[in-house]
Amino acid sequence: QQQVKQSPQSLIVQKGGISIINCAYENTAFDYFPWYQQFPGKGPALLIAIRPDVSEKKEGRFTISFNKSAKQFSLHIMDSQPGDSATYFCAASKDAGNMLTFGGGTRLMVKP
Amino acid sequence: DTAVSQTPKYLVTQMGNDKSIKCEQNLGHDTMYWYKQDSKKFLKIMFSYNNKELIINETVPNRFSPKSPDKAHLNLHINSLELGDSAVYFCASSQAGLGYEQYFGPGTRLTVT
Repeated sequence: QQQVKQSPQSLIVQKGGISIINCAYENTAFDYFPWYQQFPGKGPALLIAIRPDVSEKKEGRFTISFNKSAKQFSLHIMDSQPGDSATYFCAASKDAGNMLTFGGGTRLMVKP
Repeated sequence: DTAVSQTPKYLVTQMGNDKSIKCEQNLGHDTMYWYKQDSKKFLKIMFSYNNKELIINETVPNRFSPKSPDKAHLNLHINSLELGDSAVYFCASSQAGLGYEQYFGPGTRLTVT
């Protein structure tokens, strides 16, 4: 079964708009929640991450909102730009092995 | 300088063959990983390895085995390749422990015919 569920699968946003991607997890042992960005032909790269002891983390135009009781977290991209067009993955890990369990990915297209 | 490198970038082979993918990191990290990305872009952890412990995802067939000649390298060996092994394989590395950023390599696209 998929331990981290991500939606939507694809998203089209106009330049300057807000992109919102949602994830839900099942395993309450998860203790670290990163978001990765992947461009075609490249490996994923860390965008922003959060621990469950905070409800929100912001880095530039990127914000993670975290709801521990609902077991959900989301990525908000403010003022979306065409250069943000990529596939975004949420993920979670739970112990010192730090093995990431990924969501299914969201392909974001930002139209100029 | 490339932080995490993989060779080859592309690998085409026939069913039943044995192949290896090499991974090297120059970040001084303690832990290395292998991930598989299938045709639907779904990313799945295969292994986590540091000099103390190998953690294997229970769904990985035993035809897959990681081998680490030293701290900077973690190679992936695949025996008796099957069509379903076709995917992009990513190596990654990080400091040991929960919550450290993982740096991914550029990937190796494996095609089994």
